[in-house]
Amino acid sequence: DAGVIQSPRHEVTEMGQEVTLRCKPISGHDYLFWYRQTMMRGLELLIYFNNNVPIDDSGMPEDRFSAKMPNASFSTLKIQPSEPRDSAVYFCASTIGGGSPLHFGNGTRLTVT
Amino acid sequence: GENVEQHPSTLSVQEGDSAVIKCTYSDSASNYFPWYKQELGKGPQLIIDIRSNVGEKKDQRIAVTLNKTAKHFSLHITETQPEDSAVYFCAASKGTTDSWGKLQFGAGTQVVVTP
Repeated sequence: DAGVIQSPRHEVTEMGQEVTLRCKPISGHDYLFWYRQTMMRGLELLIYFNNNVPIDDSGMPEDRFSAKMPNASFSTLKIQPSEPRDSAVYFCASTIGGGSPLHFGNGTRLTVT
Repeated sequence: GENVEQHPSTLSVQEGDSAVIKCTYSDSASNYFPWYKQELGKGPQLIIDIRSNVGEKKDQRIAVTLNKTAKHFSLHITETQPEDSAVYFCAASKGTTDSWGKLQFGAGTQVVVTP
């Protein structure tokens, strides 16, 4: 199993640009999570999906952030427009649910200049 | 909401010694407590977890203890090796069907094992 796959691994963009982060969960996992990691705030949950439906987006910081899951094998996190304070490592994670552990991808390091 | 505090923030140990990391949580409804290890440039990886109906769990050199009354849980690594060097995170969640992965993380502990 390839695990959770995220792309790109690194993204550098200028303030005001649109950024799209991508995630492919482990096949058969019904739950998908987007987390963000910064030095100041640590690891924080942004949004999660169950069977492609957003369940809780209370962690999404602003309307500039949006996430979609058009099918069971693909999710995107979009920031438009991006700001320097969005610089962080964004992780996608998936689980089969029912008490099974969360599996994280290796993240996308976003730098907004 | 849940608040998880983790101590110490850094821990330096000699190879072969034990390492202990402690966490406290605030929400008495939390009942799932995983520990993650994060190596440089990688995502967090689950190393052990415990649920509130269990007081202690062991897996080879790693053990976790939980005290629900005091709302704290700890990670114990025995016979540390250089490959144990990493950042370790504790986390907590309510553990219901839909909120299982809705984890509140501690701030992390940088563990350095010196040969």
